[in-house]
Amino acid sequence: ETGVTQTPRHLVMGMTNKKSLKCEQHLGHNAMYWYKQSAKKPLELMFVYSLEERVENNSVPSRFSPECPNSSHLFLHLHTLQPEDSALYLCASSQTSGTGEKLFFGSGTQLSVL
Amino acid sequence: GENVEQHPSTLSVQEGDSAVIKCTYSDSASNYFPWYKQELGKRPQLIIDIRSNVGEKKDQRIAVTLNKTAKHFSLHITETQPEDSAVYFCAGGSGYSTLTFGKGTMLLVSP
Repeated sequence: ETGVTQTPRHLVMGMTNKKSLKCEQHLGHNAMYWYKQSAKKPLELMFVYSLEERVENNSVPSRFSPECPNSSHLFLHLHTLQPEDSALYLCASSQTSGTGEKLFFGSGTQLSVL
Repeated sequence: GENVEQHPSTLSVQEGDSAVIKCTYSDSASNYFPWYKQELGKRPQLIIDIRSNVGEKKDQRIAVTLNKTAKHFSLHITETQPEDSAVYFCAGGSGYSTLTFGKGTMLLVSP
């Protein structure tokens, strides 16, 4: 148990649905991340929240909307997704040190968009 | 931005052999290079990392080497075991929002 919990583990949704992914970390870290993992592609950073600052990958479509109400909780709100958004969505946390971040990942949400 | 290339994409070895995975990076400002292991159906986990002020680091059967001049770093696993079978990802960056991952190497260790 790495202390990063994601729910749900699996999600199937239609293109018109709205759903949310949830992540919670119990490690006392001050940064949380959303990554997208697709087959045969590098892990792709989508969003980072650190010390109340949000950094986002400009290539992420607006149909993905993150929310970080506090340092322990992170959400990814999904709406009008496309089939190519089907992937494993991984949450991670770290303690920012300015010299390299050790990421602790959750088990991920396997998302299928029909 | 940073670009990390990883080779090979698949590596098959016999139990007891050594395995080497290589990565190159493009941004000379990158100073942190972690390696993650992801077993089938599980989360990625950090196995070893190296910072740019160090040329080599070892942890039991795992070692990582870094050549800053050539901008490449490698993962070395000695005396491989079937439980080493997994996908290994290298990454490089200089801060919490700049870490860029390679595409991964699937390591298969046959008994």
